[in-house]
Amino acid sequence: DAGVIQSPRHEVTEMGQEVTLRCKPISGHDYLFWYRQTMMRGLELLIYFNNNVPIDDSGMPEDRFSAKMPNASFSTLKIQPSEPRDSAVYFCASSFVGVGYTFGSGTRLTVV
Amino acid sequence: GNSVTQMEGPVTLSEEAFLTINCTYTATGYPSLFWYVQYPGEGLQLLLKATKADDKGSNKGFEATYRKETTSFHLEKGSVQVSDSAVYFCALREETSGSRLTFGEGTQLTVNP
Repeated sequence: DAGVIQSPRHEVTEMGQEVTLRCKPISGHDYLFWYRQTMMRGLELLIYFNNNVPIDDSGMPEDRFSAKMPNASFSTLKIQPSEPRDSAVYFCASSFVGVGYTFGSGTRLTVV
Repeated sequence: GNSVTQMEGPVTLSEEAFLTINCTYTATGYPSLFWYVQYPGEGLQLLLKATKADDKGSNKGFEATYRKETTSFHLEKGSVQVSDSAVYFCALREETSGSRLTFGEGTQLTVNP
């Protein structure tokens, strides 16, 4: 298995632009998590899905952030419009009940 | 609610020194406990886990014992290497939370040759 695959690895965009981050979880995993990591705030859970259904989005910072999981093999995290304070590393992780998370390599987002 | 508290970093050690990173937790039930490691530029990786009291998780020379009486899961290694330099995260999963993990703040470890 190739593990959790995130794309792109790096993204540089201008303030106000739309950004879409992508994640392919491990086949057979029924949970998918989106995290944001910064030096100031550490690792923050943004949203997670179970069987493609959003379960808890209380960590999504504001309405500019949205996440979807149209099927078991794909999820997106969208920021529109982006702001410099959104600069961070965004991680996707997937899991099966009783098993620990497998994290992707992350997307480093820089908003200038 | 659930919470995980880790010793503050950064921690700097010389090669072959003994390592302890403290982790304590608060949970309403009987959680499973985990240590994750994050190497520079990478995502978090599962290092070890323990699912019930008195269990010892171990991997790559690291160990941690699930102590219910002290609500702790301290990470130890007898002789660290430069390659162990990374950020270490303690985490718990409640039985009732499905697959969701609660993470600690992370502890940065630097090992000097």
